[in-house]
Amino acid sequence: QVQLQQSGAELAKPGSSVKISCKASGYTFTSYCINWIKQTTGQGLEYIGYINTGSGGTNYNEKFKGKATLTVDKSSSTAFMQLSSLTPDDSAVYYCAMGDWFAYWGQGTLVTVSS
Amino acid sequence: EIVLTQSPTTMAASPGEKVTLTCLASSSVNYIYWYQQKSSASPKFLIYYTSSLASGVPDRFSGSGSGTSYSLTISSMEAEDAAIYYCLQLTSTPPTFGAGTKLELK
Repeated sequence: QVQLQQSGAELAKPGSSVKISCKASGYTFTSYCINWIKQTTGQGLEYIGYINTGSGGTNYNEKFKGKATLTVDKSSSTAFMQLSSLTPDDSAVYYCAMGDWFAYWGQGTLVTVSS
Repeated sequence: EIVLTQSPTTMAASPGEKVTLTCLASSSVNYIYWYQQKSSASPKFLIYYTSSLASGVPDRFSGSGSGTSYSLTISSMEAEDAAIYYCLQLTSTPPTFGAGTKLELK
């Protein structure tokens, strides 16, 4: 069965960076893109962008350009999202989701930005 | 970007009751997608192309609509349906989600 296993919770200081992983299994990794979504209590669900797992091509929501960087390691069927120059507003649960319709989601990674 | 407005924000339904949730788009979209999120779990894919059920979704769930007005209906509320429901549009970039409707069991 399709599974997306995300890395564990992160506690980061303002100004630092974190890199979240999303390891896929149960399907052909390069056949579907991986999307990234941010969830907060205040802003709800926000789309960050996607990565084409075959070509490595990316597309970002303008709001997250310069904040998020998406990469992929096909050898390990893993997608990554790096968040840089962290501020408290980046504190959220981040999800990866598979495919054009977000049919399968990872369990989420909690990122807390605090000094 | 397209704004999706969901209503009601919160509602409660009794077991067996019919439930209808609404998602209004600020501009016309081709399709709407629906997701269910329980407690602290990740969202679960329910409906694609406005009215097609995802694999394993009970047939008490249905979707309809066109243009700027869409709805998700639960024909007979069950306890396990208590959750937050989100709509999503993929017609326009960036994809956007509604703020969600919290459905509680009465």
